[in-house]
Amino acid sequence: DADVTQTPRNRITKTGKRIMLECSQTKGHDRMYWYRQDPGLGLRLIYYSFDVKDINKGEISDGYSVSRQAQAKFSLSLESAIPNQTALYFCATSDSQGTSYNEQFFGPGTRLTVL
Amino acid sequence: DQQVKQNSPSLSVQEGRISILNCDYTNSMFDYFLWYKKYPAEGPTFLISISSIKDKNEDGRFTVFLNKSAKHLSLHIVPSQPGDSAVYFCAASASAAGNKLTFGGGTRVLVKP
Repeated sequence: DADVTQTPRNRITKTGKRIMLECSQTKGHDRMYWYRQDPGLGLRLIYYSFDVKDINKGEISDGYSVSRQAQAKFSLSLESAIPNQTALYFCATSDSQGTSYNEQFFGPGTRLTVL
Repeated sequence: DQQVKQNSPSLSVQEGRISILNCDYTNSMFDYFLWYKKYPAEGPTFLISISSIKDKNEDGRFTVFLNKSAKHLSLHIVPSQPGDSAVYFCAASASAAGNKLTFGGGTRVLVKP
């Protein structure tokens, strides 16, 4: 079974719709992250959470919100989707207490298309 | 302004030869560097890393070199294999900033049989 799962894997929605992307992990890691990937720009950090009560904005948080429902769950919401939010979205985890605390483990991604 | 740059969007190499991927950074606070590999329809997977206190780290066919004065690192893959065909991302983190990762734009590698 995958350690980091994302649902849905693909989603097509319309401008103005609210959409939620979900991430779950079984790795027992305390830190979780949301990124978006656009061609040529690599992965850019949207939000991150170092524990359940800690939520922080990344470099491109406008238009997004997050919720850390439990240590294992971190969801990303687009309150009113717009076409330039069309991208590949990745969730990642890391362990602040591990020997490889810099290393992040990624989910398989969600391809989101906003029409 | 991108703090981590991979100036070559793509690279084509013959099987058995060396692949060299380059990465430049601008933030002098970065003290840890990682390379990730990504296949289509999958998430990035960790490949190799290097701390700023070292200038070289080797793991099997993969070697990462760090030149701090030039703010440059490179990934060498020797010998290249068809299964190495993927997109490679360079990433950097600063311990003073909570070890968040900043990624480069990626280099697509094609290894020809």
